[in-house]
Amino acid sequence: KQEVTQIPAALSVPEGENLVLNCSFTDSAIYNLQWFRQDPGKGLTSLLLIQSSQREQTSGRLNASLDKSSGRSTLYIAASQPGDSATYLCAVFTNTGNQFYFGTGTSLTVIP
Amino acid sequence: DAMVIQNPRYQVTQFGKPVTLSCSQTLNHNVMYWYQQKSSQAPKLLFHYYDKDFNNEADTPDNFQSRRPNTSFCFLDIRSPGLGDAAMYLCATSRAGGTNNQPQHFGDGTRLSIL
Repeated sequence: KQEVTQIPAALSVPEGENLVLNCSFTDSAIYNLQWFRQDPGKGLTSLLLIQSSQREQTSGRLNASLDKSSGRSTLYIAASQPGDSATYLCAVFTNTGNQFYFGTGTSLTVIP
Repeated sequence: DAMVIQNPRYQVTQFGKPVTLSCSQTLNHNVMYWYQQKSSQAPKLLFHYYDKDFNNEADTPDNFQSRRPNTSFCFLDIRSPGLGDAAMYLCATSRAGGTNNQPQHFGDGTRLSIL
């Protein structure tokens, strides 16, 4: 069964700093990997989707990379802002089972 | 415009009293998912519909059932809620294609409280 791990569980940085969030998965047979943002008490907002054939995706200050062979993805946030404070989750869609497997998330706090 | 809509946003029910949560979508996606998320935990898949085909996760309690009367709507029924069922319930949709390279879209969730 696919297992997804996110490290660190929590991260606190001063405003303006660049940061990297990590996601690792045990089964490299994936179709895609998706990064989400979750604000307290809210649903999940999709940030980036990387297909299995891609190495990275960019949206504004966000850049996500995928190394399928090593089972790793990173989410890079440039010039962090207090509004970036949220929990960030990654999820992988596997070749079997037609479902997404989620990590437990990284809780990010950006200090003004 | 909201594309995956969950109602209500907050639901309070009594221990053992049946409750239904609803989800609707305007995306015309063929796959709909229900997740349970407890505090500081990853969303846990309860079941999903691939078109009309219902797929139940092995560890989803029998207390939980789902209905999908048409493409746009999906319901989560909890027959006899216990205190351990208090959680955020998230509905998601996606379009499954040949390679399944499609993102999931989530609603804002329904937070269920049990008295």
